[in-house]
Amino acid sequence: VQLVESGGGLVRPGGSLRLSCAASGFTFSSYSMHWVRQAPGKGLESVSSISSDGTYMYHADSLKFRFTVSRDNAKNSLYLQINSLRAEDTALYYCAREKRRGSYGGDAFDIWGQGTMVTVSS
Amino acid sequence: VIWVTQSPALLSASTGDRVTISCRMSQDVTNYLAWYQQKPGKAPELLISGASTLESGVPSRFSGGGSGTDFSLTISDLQSEDFATYYCQQYYTFPLTFGQGTKVEIK
Repeated sequence: VQLVESGGGLVRPGGSLRLSCAASGFTFSSYSMHWVRQAPGKGLESVSSISSDGTYMYHADSLKFRFTVSRDNAKNSLYLQINSLRAEDTALYYCAREKRRGSYGGDAFDIWGQGTMVTVSS
Repeated sequence: VIWVTQSPALLSASTGDRVTISCRMSQDVTNYLAWYQQKPGKAPELLISGASTLESGVPSRFSGGGSGTDFSLTISDLQSEDFATYYCQQYYTFPLTFGQGTKVEIK
């Protein structure tokens, strides 16, 4: 059971990035997935969530006009599109699996990736 | 939004000590509360869900308690590998919110 994030990097303010999370070792299409970020030296912040079939999505209020979560169950992959990047978006972005099959927002995160770093700087 | 207040921010302790970390929610979350451990340079790991249910493989010296708005994580007989940062999280409703974290350091 594994999650591997990719797509991070150094981006100028105003730029865009698409983060990816590749899942393996479990039936990806049965689980809701989440993005959590952690700014350097700071705590955890839940960013976006998506239900197992992609029908339901949630974005933090302060981010919802710039962040878009999506998934491709045929490719066992989760994505996060981030537009109009700002310095305050600089963080390590983790993808995480919700523990219970079929649950959406109603359980803890039992599997985490190693994270992909996004740095926004001119 | 359910606000989470976690305390203390820093806890200095010695191996063998018993320590307790608290989380208070701004609203009732019943038992929809998880605890995570994070070591430097690593992803968080789930320790406890449902406020008190230990994940498989988590040592029994970890225990969680509480319901409603007040929760606690207790580590009895602190071991060297337990020095880390701990976070609580409510998953009762969106946005799913985390506490600010408690760093457990060696005294």
